[in-house]
Amino acid sequence: RKEVEQDPGPFNVPEGATVAFNCTYSNSASQSFFWYRQDCRKEPKLLMSVYSSGNEDGRFTAQLNRASQYISLLIRDSKLSDSATYLCVVNEHYGQNFVFGPGTRLSVLP
Amino acid sequence: NAGVTQTPKFRVLKTGQSMTLLCAQDMNHEYMYWYRQDPGMGLRLIHYSVGEGTTAKGEVPDGYNVSRLKKQNFLLGLESAAPSQTSVYFCASLGQGANTGELFFGEGSRLTVL
Repeated sequence: RKEVEQDPGPFNVPEGATVAFNCTYSNSASQSFFWYRQDCRKEPKLLMSVYSSGNEDGRFTAQLNRASQYISLLIRDSKLSDSATYLCVVNEHYGQNFVFGPGTRLSVLP
Repeated sequence: NAGVTQTPKFRVLKTGQSMTLLCAQDMNHEYMYWYRQDPGMGLRLIHYSVGEGTTAKGEVPDGYNVSRLKKQNFLLGLESAAPSQTSVYFCASLGQGANTGELFFGEGSRLTVL
């Protein structure tokens, strides 16, 4: 079983749609959680950290359920520019290993 | 601001050849990492360093060696390249005490081993 698993995708949605990505992790001792975004043939970049109480950044909302070891990302009012691969990332010990999920590709269509 | 710079960006090797990938960061970060990315598998950690003069193995260290002689540089070496090492390699850095968990990545190095 992979340490971090994500929806296989791809997700093809029309502009303006709401889309949700799911992620599960296997190590219950994991301490910090993130969503990264990776554009085609580019490096990953931090989209947002995920906090236990849930957090929002504009059209993006992240949720964490430690009991279920589950992380989610909700994108509202999708834009063409949101097309990318979204990577769920879990850190077990600060500064040591950041474990990446395989990613879920999103295509927002006009 | 250069951030994290990787060289070379592209390289083609024959099986058995050796090479070194260089990662340089100008943000005075303590932690540095080498990942490889293969289709459908996400990024996998090869080696990492928590400071100058230190290195540690990640998930997939076999066939690679690393060195961190200077804080700003992290080198990844392939002593005898194999086709299974064809991949995109990403270097990343993280600042100590930076609790955002923001990894800064280089643009990647595409390696093909024939």
